[in-house]
Amino acid sequence: GAGVSQSPSNKVTEKGKDVELRCDPISGHTALYWYRQSLGQGLEFLIYFQGNSAPDKSGLPSDRFSAERTGGSVSTLTIQRTQQEDSAVYLCASSFLRLSREQYFGPGTRLTVT
Amino acid sequence: AQSVTQLGSHVSVSEGALVLLRCNYSSSVPPYLFWYVQYPNQGLQLLLKYTTGATLVKGINGFEAEFKKSETSFHLTKPSAHMSDAAEYFCAVTGMDSSYKLIFGSGTRLLVRP
Repeated sequence: GAGVSQSPSNKVTEKGKDVELRCDPISGHTALYWYRQSLGQGLEFLIYFQGNSAPDKSGLPSDRFSAERTGGSVSTLTIQRTQQEDSAVYLCASSFLRLSREQYFGPGTRLTVT
Repeated sequence: AQSVTQLGSHVSVSEGALVLLRCNYSSSVPPYLFWYVQYPNQGLQLLLKYTTGATLVKGINGFEAEFKKSETSFHLTKPSAHMSDAAEYFCAVTGMDSSYKLIFGSGTRLLVRP
């Protein structure tokens, strides 16, 4: 079946602009995660959604970052007033927690802030 | 807090040689442990996981890992390296909270010499 998809694959934006990154999880997966991969910080957890529960936002680095998940499926990560340090690869993963803790990752969105 | 340490940011082996990538973890609860592989410009692919039960875990592409509680280790091995194994490898442990978010090591880049 289809895996996790993310769009766009690459995004170049100017400092100060807002960006939206999209994630389509595997159908039926109830849990959705966002991670950030950067040269300086490695792979970091950002936010987690599970069903209708309140999201775990403990990894968001600042209030410029927000995310939502509509209808328990598609998720959008929004970065407002982008800064150069936001340049990274943003990875989305989904999981069916009731069966296992395996997370399946999308190909990522490479964000470059100029 | 849980953490993962991967010794060696770069490991170089000859084609056909043994691959050994080291991972040590810190956890105050029984851990769930994972190895992921990342090929250039791609997302993370699950190689194998340890949850409970058998401590020697076999994964895809001929890789395996052994959970050693006494050594808090989960090293990844493959008897004979292939050129296609060249990639970056990440060890991860799930967090202690119910989100099961992944805590990653810093990664090891495997180079395979012909």
